[in-house]
Parts: sequence; structure tokens; C-alpha cells
Amino acid sequence: DVKVTQSSRYLVKRTGEKVFLECVQDMDHENMFWYRQDPGLGLRLIYFSYDVKMKEKGDIPEGYSVSREKKERFSLILESASTNQTSMYLCASSLRQGRSNEKLFFGSGTQLSVL
Amino acid sequence: LAKTTQPISMDSYEGQEVNITCSHNNIATNDYITWYQQFPSQGPRFIIQGYKTKVTNEVASLFIPADRKSSTLSLPRVSLSDTAVYYCLVGVFTGGGNKLTFGTGTQLKVEL
Repeated sequence: DVKVTQSSRYLVKRTGEKVFLECVQDMDHENMFWYRQDPGLGLRLIYFSYDVKMKEKGDIPEGYSVSREKKERFSLILESASTNQTSMYLCASSLRQGRSNEKLFFGSGTQLSVL
Repeated sequence: LAKTTQPISMDSYEGQEVNITCSHNNIATNDYITWYQQFPSQGPRFIIQGYKTKVTNEVASLFIPADRKSSTLSLPRVSLSDTAVYYCLVGVFTGGGNKLTFGTGTQLKVEL
């Protein structure tokens, strides 16, 4: 089975801190994604990456950056955490199969609280 | 942009068949439709995927009409454990990868 591991289940940070959320997948997937999920808003795509060092903006990239130095690892960076970034963050990966017929495999999520 | 639209919520009783319809008017010719299920405090998990007509697996069926502007997820004989949020997803190919954007999903509540 594909395993997508997020480094922390719960994280508490202070406003203005630089925050790193790490995600590792063990199935040699080309694609990796970061979403945030807030009550009533569903999952919103922050960034995705389709290859090492390649990244594309999702729907809500403001206030975030990402890093993909190795195929198995995709990091989400909050440059200066703010309270409105308190959320559940979900990482996913998928095997590149063509035009959107890929299947996403999700991690368990990181609940980030910014105080 | 292949945005999806689903009902916000649905209620059902155990043993009934549930059909959740998703609208995706701007779906591109080569794009697939994928459905996910999410329980509280978990990431979504893949249920079923299709391109046209009908697809069936051990969990659900997916019906896609010829114009592909909508799709219907069918859950036969639901149980309490099917209470979850169901998402329909259609990707947008950006030239590099597929931008996979979820809609707000449908909260299905199954009661006795």
C-alpha cells in the first residue's frame, strides 16, 4: 500500500514564525500536492509538484511556498505564520498516468494552530 | 476550468440506494472524473473513477452520460458507516501536471 507520511499530527506555532510541514511518500510517485481544509470550505489546493524541483500554484498559494528537492519529499513552508493559517493541512501523492486519471493518496493530515 | 458543483448535503436511511450527482460543465475531452470519500479526521480516499458510460466496483457505481457534463455516484444499500463527505474531482491539465481541485463536497448522513 502507498504510504504518505506527514511529519506531525498536531502543531502549535506562534504568529510570525517560519513553519515547515513535511510530507514523504514511499511509492515513487511523480506528483505531490498540498491542500488545506477548513470547515465548510472543503479542500483547497495550495501548491502541487509534478516533478523534482517543479511546482505550480494551486488556488490559494498566498502566504505559502513549497520545496521539492527529492522525489519522495514535498515540504510546505509558511514564511511568516498568521492566525488565518490555522487549519488542517493534507498532503497527497499520485502516480502520473496522463490527463487527470491519476488517483490521489492522502496522508493523515497536520492540524496546525497559529497563536 | 473544470469546476465541479455538488449538493451540499444529503440524508438517507440504512439499506437505501444513494445517488449523488456532480456537475462539471467545462470538462475537457481527455479528462476523467474521480470520486473520493472522507471521514472526519482522515484524508480523502479514492472510491471510483470513470471516463464515460458506467463503471462499477465493489463499493460503488459511477454513471456518466454521453455529454460528460455531469456524473452520478451511486452507493447501493448504504449503512451507517457510509456517513461521510463525498467529493467529485475533475483535474485541469496545466501543461506540466494536473491541477486537482476539490469542490466543497456532499455531506451524506445515513440514519437507522
